[in-house]
Amino acid sequence: AQSVTQLGSHVSVSEGALVLLRCNYSSSVPPYLFWYVQYPNQGLQLLLKYTSAATLVKGINGFEAEFKKSETSFHLTKPSAHMSDAAEYFCAVSSPSNDYKLSFGAGTTVTVRA
Amino acid sequence: DAGVTQSPTHLIKTRGQQVTLRCSPKSGHDTVSWYQQALGQGPQFIFQYYEEEERQRGNFPDRFSGHQFPNYSSELNVNALLLGDSALYLCASSLAGPNTGELFFGEGSRLTVL
Repeated sequence: AQSVTQLGSHVSVSEGALVLLRCNYSSSVPPYLFWYVQYPNQGLQLLLKYTSAATLVKGINGFEAEFKKSETSFHLTKPSAHMSDAAEYFCAVSSPSNDYKLSFGAGTTVTVRA
Repeated sequence: DAGVTQSPTHLIKTRGQQVTLRCSPKSGHDTVSWYQQALGQGPQFIFQYYEEEERQRGNFPDRFSGHQFPNYSSELNVNALLLGDSALYLCASSLAGPNTGELFFGEGSRLTVL
């Protein structure tokens, strides 16, 4: 079985401040991990993915995430928040043992204060 | 290159009615997955179609059924609608075979059941 837990359903940051979104996973085999972003009334867009290469993954819009096997975590960060980062963010996991089916966390809503 | 397209974008039904949602996958993709996203929650896997057959299914009742056509497009059908079926229905496409599970999503079809 595989699952993800996103800590914090809502994060509020000031423009220019660090964005940190937490994700912990459980998987019986080495997982593939993803972060998706969803803007209001839109579908999901891939931010970045971990596929067993480098543990520090860089994505679009200045986001990056680090895979830490010992902590079973895949936290998402951005050094300096921009107003356009206001959206909902989803962590997701897949693995060969589950035929690569993507399982999503409950999501974290990010608001950016001017 | 066209991405994943879904129709209709919005629709309103009443309890007990039936609904059909449509999806065209990204060019070159042969696998279609459907997800239900209730308000304030992460996407939940409904089922996946490949080679015109249902390959995987999530924890959804038989009222939810689907179809994939030879051109890889897909339909999601929901019978005997309940109020709880109100949600954003997301279609996602991918390539079959060994991969990471990365999905490309459409904008979704928002279903409201009154």
